[in-house]
Amino acid sequence: AQSVAQPEDQVNVAEGNPLTVKCTYSVSGNPYLFWYVQYPNRGLQFLLKYITGDNLVKGSYGFEAEFNKSQTSFHLKKPSALVSDSALYFCAVRDGDNAGNMLTFGGGTRLMVKP
Amino acid sequence: KAGVTQTPRYLIKTRGQQVTLSCSPISGHRSVSWYQQTPGQGLQFLFEYFSETQRNKGNFPGRFSGRQFSNSRSEMNVSTLELGDSALYLCASSPLTGPTSYNEQFFGPGTRLTVL
Repeated sequence: AQSVAQPEDQVNVAEGNPLTVKCTYSVSGNPYLFWYVQYPNRGLQFLLKYITGDNLVKGSYGFEAEFNKSQTSFHLKKPSALVSDSALYFCAVRDGDNAGNMLTFGGGTRLMVKP
Repeated sequence: KAGVTQTPRYLIKTRGQQVTLSCSPISGHRSVSWYQQTPGQGLQFLFEYFSETQRNKGNFPGRFSGRQFSNSRSEMNVSTLELGDSALYLCASSPLTGPTSYNEQFFGPGTRLTVL
C-alpha cells in the first residue's frame, strides 16, 4: 500500500517571500515522487519529479523539491513566490518496483500568495 | 503536440442512468489512466490501460469500467449512477514504453459529471 500526506490544507505567503509546501509519503517499493499544480477548472499540470539521483530536483516555473529518504519527505519549495503561483498543489507517489502508472495523491495544499 | 483531450467537458445525468466518458491521449502515448476528483475524497485512481489491457485497478465498485482501443483512446463507463458519483473525472496519458517507466503523466482538463 502507498500513501501521501500533505499536512497543510492551506499555505499563505507574501509575494517575494520563499514558500514551502510539505509532503510525506509511504510506499513499500522504490518511491517515484511527483508534484502537480491545479488551477481552477483545469486539469493537473506537472511541475517536477524525483526518480533517482540528486536529492534536489528543479522543475517548472522556478519550483524545486528536496527528496529526503530518511524522513520520507518531498517538500516543494520556491525562493520567491509570485501571486500567479496561487493554486492547488498535489504531491503524488508511485511504487517504482511495480509495473504501471498508478499514482497515489495527497489531499492537496492550497497556496495563497498575497501581494 | 496536442494535449490530452476529454469529451464531454460537462455532463448532467440523473440517478440510475449510465454515462460514458472519452479520452484521447497525447499522440504516441500508450498508457491511459483515469482518476476521480471530489472535494471529500480528493484524487483517487480508478484504472490504467496499456496496450488495450487493464493493468491496474483502484478500489471502486464494478459499476465503474473502462476500455482502451487500438489507437490508445480510452473510454470509461459508469452504470447505475449514484449522487456520490458527481465528480471531476480526469484522464492522464504517459509515454510508457515498458513495465516500468520514469515518465510523468499528462492530464486532460477533465469531465465534470453532475448526478441529480
